Amino acid sequence: QKEVEQDPGPLSVPEGAIVSLNCTYSNSAFQYFMWYRQYSRKGPELLMYTYSSGNKEDGRFTAQVDKSSKYISLFIRDSQPSDSATYLCAMSLQGGSEKLVFGKGTKLTVNP
Amino acid sequence: GAVVSQHPSWVICKSGTSVKIECRSLDFQATTMFWYRQFPKQSLMLMATSNEGSKATYEQGVEKDKFLINHASLTLSTLTVTSAHPEDSSFYICSAVKGAYEQYFGPGTRLTVT
Repeated sequence: QKEVEQDPGPLSVPEGAIVSLNCTYSNSAFQYFMWYRQYSRKGPELLMYTYSSGNKEDGRFTAQVDKSSKYISLFIRDSQPSDSATYLCAMSLQGGSEKLVFGKGTKLTVNP
Repeated sequence: GAVVSQHPSWVICKSGTSVKIECRSLDFQATTMFWYRQFPKQSLMLMATSNEGSKATYEQGVEKDKFLINHASLTLSTLTVTSAHPEDSSFYICSAVKGAYEQYFGPGTRLTVT
């Protein structure tokens, strides 16, 4: 079993839809959870950062962590064509400044 | 945010030659930088942790004599792929740590070995 599992998609939604992206993980010691957005042939861009369980909201993005289920989610409200990218979940033991374990990424396309 | 650059963005080299990739944090100092490798449709896999002024720490399975890492200053880390072979063709991405919590990624370097 991989440490972090993420459905690679692809996921295609119409503009304005609510998008739900998810990851599961096996290592209960993970404490820090991140979501990155990666455009084709570019480096990942940090979107959201969450410590332990709970929700965090930033504009149209909401990150949720359920440590009891080892499950994390990213919700995108009012999705836009510019949100089309690959979304990577990442997690670490001791913080965002430590080495990260990434999911495979989910490729999202938002159609106008 | 913070800006991390990589140079070159794309390089083609012949089998058996060496290639150096630079990673720079442009507007902050980074004691720690990481080097990742990403194959097509795969996730980023950590290769090594680079700490300024000390030897890099390599992940299991990564040949330290093949992938030479030097972190000579708080804003520059280099990755040298020695005696490159076609199987080394990949997308190499660095990241730099800012403060205690945030890791910023460079735009990546696409290496093609012919």
